[in-house]
Amino acid sequence: DIVMTQTPLSSPVTLGQPASISCRSSQSLAHSDGNTYLSWLQQRPGQPLRLLIYKISNRFSGVPDRFSGSGAGTDFTLKISRVEAEDVGVYYCMQGTQFPHTFGQGTKLEIK
Amino acid sequence: VQLLESGGGLVQPGGSLRLSCAASGFTFSSYAMTWVRQAPGKGLEWVSVISGSGGSTYYVDSVKGRFTISRDNSKNALYLQMSSLRAEDTALYYCVKSGLNRDTAMVDYWGQGTLVTVSS
Repeated sequence: DIVMTQTPLSSPVTLGQPASISCRSSQSLAHSDGNTYLSWLQQRPGQPLRLLIYKISNRFSGVPDRFSGSGAGTDFTLKISRVEAEDVGVYYCMQGTQFPHTFGQGTKLEIK
Repeated sequence: VQLLESGGGLVQPGGSLRLSCAASGFTFSSYAMTWVRQAPGKGLEWVSVISGSGGSTYYVDSVKGRFTISRDNSKNALYLQMSSLRAEDTALYYCVKSGLNRDTAMVDYWGQGTLVTVSS
């Protein structure tokens, strides 16, 4: 199975400042069809899980442009350009290139 | 898009349970559907996926032979039949809309989950 490793596991940030979460996979997520199936999800208390980014860098419908994704191969990053109070929660990366699909451990974003 | 899970509850080790997910707001039969679970206080674990037609299914190794994913496209319903349940199956089970037909990598809409507790 592909192991997804996120860093940091906890990230205290100041409102209005940027935040960055790293996700590393144990093998390349490049699929034979030419796509790289790496997604980012957000889990906020009392809210359904929310897809933010798919295929490395594509923002899902309704996701603010302060969220961006980048990376290739085995190294990926989620960036929030200016953190807002509503961004508090846990962020997960997920690979959909190989079965079983697997998630990172989660990164808790907190406000300082 | 709305996904409403049901069927969770307390079950003894070795017992069985059937989870259901009622889907609406999209053409159900065109999309793969996924089950993901989250143990209390833990992260997410992908469990199983089924293609839009129901012809293809995949499972995480820890549930193979014990869980069966299925769907009824005439009822816009997704199911997860769970048997030989173990304490480590205790979790909130989410129904997730995936991508078109066999696109299992997409996980774009999530339900609120149904809680399964395996305990004597």
